[in-house]
Amino acid sequence: EAGVVQSPRYKIIEKKQPVAFWCNPISGHNTLYWYLQNLGQGPELLIRYENEEAVDDSQLPKDRFSAERLKGVDSTLKIQPAELGDSAVYLCASSTGTGGETQYFGPGTRLLVL
Amino acid sequence: AQSVTQLDSQVPVFEEAPVELRCNYSSSVSVYLFWYVQYPNQGLQLLLKYLSGSTLVKGINGFEAEFNKSQTSFHLRKPSVHISDTAEYFCAVSEPSSASKIIFGSGTRLSIRP
Repeated sequence: EAGVVQSPRYKIIEKKQPVAFWCNPISGHNTLYWYLQNLGQGPELLIRYENEEAVDDSQLPKDRFSAERLKGVDSTLKIQPAELGDSAVYLCASSTGTGGETQYFGPGTRLLVL
Repeated sequence: AQSVTQLDSQVPVFEEAPVELRCNYSSSVSVYLFWYVQYPNQGLQLLLKYLSGSTLVKGINGFEAEFNKSQTSFHLRKPSVHISDTAEYFCAVSEPSSASKIIFGSGTRLSIRP
């Protein structure tokens, strides 16, 4: 079974530039998550999807961040414009959404904003 | 609101020694509890979880954890560690009413000395 796929793995951009991250969840997983992980910290939820619907985006900075999950499968997270403080690892995870279920994580995208 | 506290940011131990990583949670209702492990440059992987039933939970790679409701703790233990256990360990909590949303602790870095 293929795991959660993320791309790119690494990204270096200058501040004020846009950047996008892509995630392909495990087949059949209805729930998809985007997390932000700062150095030395645990993941913090940015947005959670149930199929195509964003059911929890309360922690997403909507002035610069946006996300979409077309057709309830792949998802894209975008930052525009990027700021120095956005340097972090962006993790994507998926699950069956059945309650108490295991979340399966991708390897993450490490973003460096210069 | 639920929260998770991992008291130790780093735990150094010698190879083949026992280890305990501490986790305390705060919640006004019943909880689901998880331990995830993150190896360098990888995403998180589930070690074990407590949903209900026996308070002693066994996971992968010889790890186990005990749910203690009175002390609101879920400490992770292993009787004999190996070099390959070097990683970051995250405790996490969710509530059955919003089971797909979990809150992570800040992590404990386990470093194994030969």
